Amino acid sequence: DIQMTQSPSTLSASVGDRVTITCRASQSISSWLAWYQQKPGKAPKLLIYDASSLESGVPSRFSGRGSGTGFTLTISSLQPDDFATYYCQQYSTYPWTFGQGTKVEIK
Amino acid sequence: EVQVVESGGGLVKPGGSLRLSCAASGFTFSDAWMSWVRQAPGKGLEWVGRIKSKTDGATTDYAAPVKGRFTISRDDSKNTLYLQMNSLKTEDTAVYYCTKGFCSSASCPYYYYYIDVWGKGTTVTVSS
Repeated sequence: DIQMTQSPSTLSASVGDRVTITCRASQSISSWLAWYQQKPGKAPKLLIYDASSLESGVPSRFSGRGSGTGFTLTISSLQPDDFATYYCQQYSTYPWTFGQGTKVEIK
Repeated sequence: EVQVVESGGGLVKPGGSLRLSCAASGFTFSDAWMSWVRQAPGKGLEWVGRIKSKTDGATTDYAAPVKGRFTISRDDSKNTLYLQMNSLKTEDTAVYYCTKGFCSSASCPYYYYYIDVWGKGTTVTVSS
């Protein structure tokens, strides 16, 4: 199975900060990576697919980059609504696997 | 509006069975690849399994922890996805999400699907 490792596990930041979350795959997944946002008690929401494509309706402050084994999710200016947990997920190979999550907290 | 709504969760004893349902609306269900994803209390997301559309063979794949115990099926006439869970274990306790797969113009030629729609989830508790 492909292992997905996110860092950091927790991130403390302030409104307006630029935030970057890293996701590494244990083997190449090309660009077949998605990012999801999850708030407590809610279902995840798709933010980014194909590593860098912004899902319709998602604010442009979210961006994704990378290919192969290294990927990043960047929030250019953190907003109050962005405090949540973020997951990366590879869909290159079954079984699909998720990163362990990065919780973005208020500093 | 595109949506999927899960039902059927509840409390079951270890070794028992449960069937989850997922009612789909707002899209052509028969063309969709569908998956189940679960989340244990306080933990991350875990993919459970996937079923392709009938056009693509309606084949299934499962995660190792559930293979041989869980079965995904679909009834396109009812726009409904199912997850039959047998021989349940305490570690199967989780919120189970029904999800819809989608592919982009880049990924469709290679049959790489990602999740674009999630249900709100249904809770399964396995406990004596």
